[in-house]
Amino acid sequence: GAVVSQHPSWVICKSGTSVKIECRSLDFQATTMFWYRQFPKQSLMLMATSNEGSKATYEQGVEKDKFLINHASLTLSTLTVTSAHPEDSSFYICSARGASRNYNEQFFGPGTRLTVL
Amino acid sequence: KQEVTQIPAALSVPEGENLVLNCSFTDSAIYNLQWFRQDPGKGLTSLLLIQSSQREQTSGRLNASLDKSSGRSTLYIAASQPGDSATYLCAASSWDNRLAFGKGNQVVVIP
Repeated sequence: GAVVSQHPSWVICKSGTSVKIECRSLDFQATTMFWYRQFPKQSLMLMATSNEGSKATYEQGVEKDKFLINHASLTLSTLTVTSAHPEDSSFYICSARGASRNYNEQFFGPGTRLTVL
Repeated sequence: KQEVTQIPAALSVPEGENLVLNCSFTDSAIYNLQWFRQDPGKGLTSLLLIQSSQREQTSGRLNASLDKSSGRSTLYIAASQPGDSATYLCAASSWDNRLAFGKGNQVVVIP
């Protein structure tokens, strides 16, 4: 149980275009979802926290107008990278909370590799 | 701001040896601490979660200890196997559920 999926697993796009990444909890209802970014050889950095039906809370230094997060249902959150540029190329990972008796436990998706040309 | 450090950054061991991976964190006011495994280009697999009130957790060949007062956790992997080769990430959870990750211990187990 507690499976989280992401789609697409990888995407290549041209500079200036927008890219949408989906995060789904497959077998549980996720009250909270998190979006992380990981650059090569670096740790995961939390970008934002989203609760179903409310606005996302962004970490300091993350542009909310550039990284649009929607958490419209208890099983789906989306991250849209608007007007992507090469510096946005990274590994984006989502996680979801809500399945476990360990209230604070997050379950992670497989990640999405974004390459902006 | 919570800072998580993992030492060593990389290590290679011959098959059969025990692995000891260290994690330290600056703010002892954590809710829990998790160890994850990450294979190249992949997402995270949760290995062990230690609540702040616990001292250790065990699962098979894995054992993780937690010393909140000194801001340390250690992951032990007994009798390492080539399939244990991966990057191991430590993450400290604050009471508002935000995870702070270390950069990982990259492990290679040599057959």
